[in-house]
Amino acid sequence: TQLLEQSPQFLSIQEGENLTVYCNSSSVFSSLQWYRQEPGEGPVLLVTVVTGGEVKKLKRLTFQFGDARKDSSLHITAAQPGDTGLYLCAGESLGGYSTLTFGKGTMLLVSP
Amino acid sequence: DAGVIQSPRHEVTEMGQEVTLRCKPISGHDYLFWYRQTMMRGLELLIYFNNNVPIDDSGMPEDRFSAKMPNASFSTLKIQPSEPRDSAVYFCASSKGRPSVTEAFFGQGTRLTVV
Repeated sequence: TQLLEQSPQFLSIQEGENLTVYCNSSSVFSSLQWYRQEPGEGPVLLVTVVTGGEVKKLKRLTFQFGDARKDSSLHITAAQPGDTGLYLCAGESLGGYSTLTFGKGTMLLVSP
Repeated sequence: DAGVIQSPRHEVTEMGQEVTLRCKPISGHDYLFWYRQTMMRGLELLIYFNNNVPIDDSGMPEDRFSAKMPNASFSTLKIQPSEPRDSAVYFCASSKGRPSVTEAFFGQGTRLTVV
């Protein structure tokens, strides 16, 4: 089983602060996705990265896939209360088995 | 489209009872996934179907768990008999193509409590 370790597990910040959360593995992934999950809802896809070193931006969110495709980071600039939620990373193993392995997530709380 | 629809949203049952969770995927999606989420273990894949055929059920914890997809618009996850350790949020997700390259859409989940 390929494991994805996310850190930190929990992050509480004030509105306007910047933050970075991490997703690490000892295994190589063919692609990696980030999801956000709000209380009482299912996860919603934010982005997919497939190329080592790839950087994608989604408004104030910046996603990076590690050069070796074993890790990823999510950076949020000027966090807002609406960013509150559980951020999950998920990777597809090499060989394309059509399944995603999820990390346990980082719970982000942004206070006004 | 209304998205992936799961029912019920909440289920409380006594240990030993049979529980059936239901899922209606998005029309046209050929992949369907059942996940279980707990604080301790996070989001775990239980089983997935491609074109209504079960492909990988290695995540199903025990023989007490079974899943079916009789047609493209309906799937069930059954637990018989249920145990307190089965308490979790169960999610159904569907995608058009492999979820790693497209997008997997999740339902709102069924929160199961076994007492």
